[in-house]
Amino acid sequence: DTAVSQTPKYLVTQMGNDKSIKCEQNLGHDTMYWYKQDSKKFLKIMFSYNNKELIINETVPNRFSPKSPDKAHLNLHINSLELGDSAVYFCASSQVPASGANVLTFGAGSRLTVL
Amino acid sequence: QQQVKQSPQSLIVQKGGISIINCAYENTAFDYFPWYQQFPGKGPALLIAIRPDVSEKKEGRFTISFNKSAKQFSLHIMDSQPGDSATYFCAAIGGSRLTFGEGTQLTVNP
Repeated sequence: DTAVSQTPKYLVTQMGNDKSIKCEQNLGHDTMYWYKQDSKKFLKIMFSYNNKELIINETVPNRFSPKSPDKAHLNLHINSLELGDSAVYFCASSQVPASGANVLTFGAGSRLTVL
Repeated sequence: QQQVKQSPQSLIVQKGGISIINCAYENTAFDYFPWYQQFPGKGPALLIAIRPDVSEKKEGRFTISFNKSAKQFSLHIMDSQPGDSATYFCAAIGGSRLTFGEGTQLTVNP
């Protein structure tokens, strides 16, 4: 029973294309996140939603658009893909927005390769 | 601005040895400090965590030491095993977000 599941696990596409990554959590959490892990393995937050409302929007190009249709789902759509978008994208969730002992549970990641 | 700094970037230890990873933070508003372990092809998984009002926390072979005045904390892995080979991230929680250090690639040789 996967707690945080992402699809697809691998995505290879051409520059200029539009692609989406989907995330679902079955933990009953209210808050979901997207993190980007670059080639040096550095993890950086991109977005966070609490109960379908956007609460964190880091300095991410507006080609990236998250959408949360309900508390259990958070999708990431990327327009006009660029070479620099190649990375592993992680979805995560927490019971409420990260604070105190309320830590995050991560999915297995979606590796995006832009050619 | 990198709010959580982690060192070393990579670490090689012999089986049975002690692995030590250090982190320092700047933001005094951080209120929880977890460590995550990541294996290749997997997402980060919570390993152990500590509150800033506690100086040490031990879970099995893993111990966090926390120095609030110095704004530093470290992970000690006792009796390191080849199965511990992974990337370790220190992190800090504050402002509704989890901020990661740069990561340490640990290799434990048999």
